[in-house]
Amino acid sequence: DAGITQSPRHKVTETGTPVTLRCHQTENHRYMYWYRQDPGHGLRLIHYSYGVKDTDKGEVSDGYSVSRSKTEDFLLTLESATSSQTSVYFCAISGGAADTQYFGPGTRLTVL
Amino acid sequence: SQKIEQNSEALNIQEGKTATLTCNYTNYSPAYLQWYRQDPGRGPVFLLLIRENEKEKRKERLKVTFDTTLKQSLFHITASQPADSATYLCAPGGAYGNNRLAFGKGNQVVVIP
Repeated sequence: DAGITQSPRHKVTETGTPVTLRCHQTENHRYMYWYRQDPGHGLRLIHYSYGVKDTDKGEVSDGYSVSRSKTEDFLLTLESATSSQTSVYFCAISGGAADTQYFGPGTRLTVL
Repeated sequence: SQKIEQNSEALNIQEGKTATLTCNYTNYSPAYLQWYRQDPGRGPVFLLLIRENEKEKRKERLKVTFDTTLKQSLFHITASQPADSATYLCAPGGAYGNNRLAFGKGNQVVVIP
């Protein structure tokens, strides 16, 4: 497996609370991505980063923010969690354009 | 808007036979297409990448075709084994000059011993 870890692996939280998910890589890859995966929707891109402090929105970015202050870490923040954000969140990394993406093990988030 | 379609019904296939999965896309002109495998509770794992100027790509028992006229990719698993049971995701990318992938919902394959 590529050196990608996600933390926490599981989290249960309440509506309205802030939540931060962390993705950490040891591969020194330039690109990092956050996806969510829901039944019936497949993987959908939330945000991605193409370098330190360089980020852009994906197709389902509303309600999420990201930060990347170091090459190895990409944080996903839900400022005020809602039940619709209950999902499995995957982080992925890639070395460059058209490169394959390597996925982390996922974080299962439940918002009550 | 762009649309990526994979068969939502699971493909049940006898061990030793060839499994063929279809990925169709519309309103989209990807420069390449990737296929991933996903096992329950795990992240997707890359299998193959095929570019728009390639008709076919092979890796061991896997074969992928890419027809930009039909806007379709076919994914074949030859001599299928129970260990091939998983969900397979199609992911076109590289449209409009960016390297973002758009994933299909996946197609489950069940190989029966």
